This record gives sequence, structure tokens and C-alpha cells, in this order.
Amino acid sequence: GESVGLHLPTLSVQEGDNSIINCAYSNSASDYFIWYKQESGKGPQFIIDIRSNMDKRQGQRVTVLLNKTVKHLSLQIAATQPGDSAVYFCAENAGNMLTFGGGTRLMVKP
Amino acid sequence: GAGVSQSPRYKVAKRGQDVALRCDPISGHVSLFWYQQALGQGPEFLTYFQNEAQLDKSGLPSDRFFAERPEGSVSTLKIQRTQQEDSAVYLCASSSLRQDTEAFFGQGTRLTVV
Repeated sequence: GESVGLHLPTLSVQEGDNSIINCAYSNSASDYFIWYKQESGKGPQFIIDIRSNMDKRQGQRVTVLLNKTVKHLSLQIAATQPGDSAVYFCAENAGNMLTFGGGTRLMVKP
Repeated sequence: GAGVSQSPRYKVAKRGQDVALRCDPISGHVSLFWYQQALGQGPEFLTYFQNEAQLDKSGLPSDRFFAERPEGSVSTLKIQRTQQEDSAVYLCASSSLRQDTEAFFGQGTRLTVV
């Protein structure tokens, strides 16, 4: 079936650098996308979302980009901090449920 | 409460034992979801409720899995005759009815079948 996936399982960045986490989706019917952050032992935590009628949305230190032509989603984190270390999931909503990708682990080196 | 609450946080079950996992969603949230998350993987959809109605149970892996939400609030996920492959974190999420709104997750129940 159609699913959401990620290109890189692990991303290691230096503290203060910018991070980019990528995600490919295949369900063209999806019209709503969310990035979640999950720390060890916790449930996924909402970071930022974007609707399919947008191609960019900015939050505090985070930006999500949506390229519907190539079905690609990315999360940019500015000035990455140690507290950003976690697993990041993109999720798509095409109906009544969220479909998650496999996740990218972000490791921030001090 | 302020967020989605799940209990117990940890559960160790002997193979063949039945377990029940509880989810208290955010008050007023119509939609409730159960997900299963294996170690190192993303959450996999199990089932979805709108109020007390179970509208989608396509993700339940076998007939040993059963979920209910009888009064449209608290939900219970029951697993009968647990097997080792059932070991995972079970996440509950709730949201308002609108499709383009975020789902809020609980901390999950880590089930270990020994």
C-alpha cells in the first residue's frame, strides 16, 4: 500500500548548525502533513504541520517545506540544539488516520 | 486532564496471558486512535474511533486484538493470548473531528511479552 518513508535513518549535526530531515510520501490523496518529534520513552510530540495548499510554513526555529510535484516533505531546524536530539517522524493524513514514516534519528553533537 | 493519559506505562505479560490497555483522551476530543510502535519503527495504525463508533479497525493484526470505547471517551485496547510478537509500545492519540488538525499522543504503554 501507499506509505510515508524517510531517506536517512540517522542524522548527526553540530550544535548550532541547521538540520534538514527529509521525507517522501506516495499517497497523492494526502492533504495534510505533520512532523512529530519523539524522545525516548515518550509519545510523539507535534512540531509543525502543513496543508497541501501550501508549500512552506514556518514556526519557531522550524520550517516545513512541501513539494507536491515530487511528493517530498522536509523539516528544517535552525540553530540545532542538544534538546532537539530525538527521532523525527513525518506523517500524512488521507482520511481518518495518520500514516507515519519510519523515522530519522537526529543526534546533536556539542 | 491536560493531555492524553495511558495506563499502565509498562506491562509485562506471560505468553498466553490477556492484557488490557487504557487510554483517557483529551476531554471533548471526538476522534481516538490506537497505534502500535515496534522498537526503532514509526507508529503503525491499529484502529480509529469517532465517539463510540469504531470506524476503522483495518490495522488490527489479528482477531486477538480488540478495542472499545463504549461511552465515547475512555478506550481500552485488549489483547488476548498475548504472543512475543505483540511486544511493542501501544500509543493512543486523540483529536478533534476536523481532518486537518493534529493528533495528540499519550506516552504509550510498553508491553513486553515473555
